[in-house]
Amino acid sequence: QKEVEQDPGPLSVPEGAIVSLNCTYSNSAFQYFMWYRQYSRKGPELLMYTYSSGNKEDGRFTAQVDKSSKYISLFIRDSQPSDSATYLCAGMFSGGYNKLIFGAGTRLAVHP
Amino acid sequence: DARVTQTPRHKVTEMGQEVTMRCQPILGHNTVFWYRQTMMQGLELLAYFRNRAPLDDSGMPKDRFSAEMPDATLATLKIQPSEPRDSAVYFCASGKQGAGGNTIYFGEGSWLTVV
Repeated sequence: QKEVEQDPGPLSVPEGAIVSLNCTYSNSAFQYFMWYRQYSRKGPELLMYTYSSGNKEDGRFTAQVDKSSKYISLFIRDSQPSDSATYLCAGMFSGGYNKLIFGAGTRLAVHP
Repeated sequence: DARVTQTPRHKVTEMGQEVTMRCQPILGHNTVFWYRQTMMQGLELLAYFRNRAPLDDSGMPKDRFSAEMPDATLATLKIQPSEPRDSAVYFCASGKQGAGGNTIYFGEGSWLTVV
């Protein structure tokens, strides 16, 4: 079993839809959780960064972490064609071992 | 605009040849990571350094891969000899360890094809 599980999709939605992207993880030692966006033939770009459980909002994006169920979510409101990309969730240990463990990534297509 | 710089961006080489990929981390970042991305395996951590010292290289095939940080502005990943199964995108990333964890930024990748 991978430490971070993510449905690879693809997920196809119409413009303006609310998108829900989800991951589960198995390692209780993860303290920080990230969402990266990766456009085709580009490097991953940091989108959201949360610590422990809770919500974080940034514009149209909301990240949620539920440590009790080991569940990570990213919501995109009013989705745009420019949001079409692969979204990668990741967990990070604390205590000096700050390496990121990634999920497989979910391909999202937002069509006009 | 600070960014992680990787060279070469694209490399096609023959099986058995040596390949060296280079990375310039963001100035002031003390942690450098090498990741490999393939369709089958996704993003896998190969090795990472803090303050130029290797912390973990357990994800790297030791017989043919080596990673070093000759100085704070340069990290290298070497494959010798290269094999077709090494074809992948190799990403370097850097971050600065702090009380808030470690925000990690990726370069644009080195696209390697071994024929």
